[in-house]
Amino acid sequence: DTEVTQTPKHLVMGMTNKKSLKCEQHMGHRAMYWYKQKAKKPPELMFVYSYEKLSINESVPSRFSPECPNSSLLNLHLHALQPEDSALYLCASSQGLALISHEQFFGPGTRLTVL
Amino acid sequence: KNEVEQSPQNLTAQEGEFITINCSYSVGISALHWLQQHPGGGIVSLFMLSSGKKKHGRLIATINIQEKHSSLHITASHPRDSAVYICAVLLPYNFNKFYFGSGTKLNVKP
Repeated sequence: DTEVTQTPKHLVMGMTNKKSLKCEQHMGHRAMYWYKQKAKKPPELMFVYSYEKLSINESVPSRFSPECPNSSLLNLHLHALQPEDSALYLCASSQGLALISHEQFFGPGTRLTVL
Repeated sequence: KNEVEQSPQNLTAQEGEFITINCSYSVGISALHWLQQHPGGGIVSLFMLSSGKKKHGRLIATINIQEKHSSLHITASHPRDSAVYICAVLLPYNFNKFYFGSGTKLNVKP
């Protein structure tokens, strides 16, 4: 199984809502990533978890809250988002943090619209 | 200024044509990845290069470390090759994070 799954595929939320994005992999990977991608732009790294601990936070606003409850699951909790947060949110995983040695596998993404 | 520049931004080709996408970078790197993103979002890693040339099926990737340049070639292009191709580099002091080019949108017409 070389798949990273993400749910939901699409999400529409208001600025006062609280919602969560979910990512799952069963490849035994110990590094998991959240990226944000705006239209016609490359992905921007948000967070990296290694062995279920937050390793990198790219100065992401606190309205985005990541969580890694176990080695297979990665969540992104959303609260009080702004319309400019509308984007494709991509999850990825790799066997280890060093991307020079490990291939990164991406999920299909969740397309988020904030009204 | 982005450390990684891609050209062209958009490319339209007829089925069967030979395609070249270019990536230039301004800093020393440890490795360069070529990624493919289909409409709808999913990203697939095509190649990782630190020197020379790699081939997989109809895809060929080359890198010239001295000239800080990489190319992705597609031979006998097909409409299913239509996608965004993204170049991403790893810097010597940070193997944990990609620095992405802006992508090349390829449309192969039948």
